[in-house]
Amino acid sequence: GAGVSQSPSNKVTEKGKDVELRCDPISGHTALYWYRQRLGQGLEFLIYFQGNSAPDKSGLPSDRFSAERTGESVSTLTIQRTQQEDSAVYLCASSLGRLNEKLFFGSGTQLSVL
Amino acid sequence: GENVEQHPSTLSVQEGDSAVIKCTYSDSASNYFPWYKQELGKRPQLIIDIRSNVGEKKDQRIAVTLNKTAKHFSLHITETQPEDSAVYFCAARSGSARQLTFGSGTQLTVLP
Repeated sequence: GAGVSQSPSNKVTEKGKDVELRCDPISGHTALYWYRQRLGQGLEFLIYFQGNSAPDKSGLPSDRFSAERTGESVSTLTIQRTQQEDSAVYLCASSLGRLNEKLFFGSGTQLSVL
Repeated sequence: GENVEQHPSTLSVQEGDSAVIKCTYSDSASNYFPWYKQELGKRPQLIIDIRSNVGEKKDQRIAVTLNKTAKHFSLHITETQPEDSAVYFCAARSGSARQLTFGSGTQLTVLP
């Protein structure tokens, strides 16, 4: 595709429900990142995938958060038993990886937990 | 892990004036420092980056400087224009990690 695609663009859920967010990176990009952006705040690192290497999960805030990526394609971020503090924009970004560091961001998923 | 602090959180300048945003980082092994611009309601986009083997880099009205000894880097925008109004994020990549750590952002407003 032309850019990084995320779905859904908006998600409203009830506290305690599970949600799954999807990211389609740019074709050929080996690196994929998930970030969380709370209203008016910075970008909080969640998880990083690089090719077939073990992902860097050091930013996941709790065991309710998990992410998967199949090869160098689609990634899904799953939040179990959502809490109100999970409300934020979840941004996915991809890059060519290795020494090409430029991140291309998706438009994000606005998650609202009621 | 890496910690990036960014100042100021908000900055207002008159059109035509210069704007400077500063960031400090904690990991002396960090070697890559990009700046991203996020316009209201849009996704962040890379505007300039610098590596640790370079002290300064310019691209038209935008420049970034790096002081490795002091572990800080700055974004300089000259001849500001209203379309420069946005949130600017600095970031650093530690040599021991592949992920980017972002600063908290600076809301720049250019007043016409």
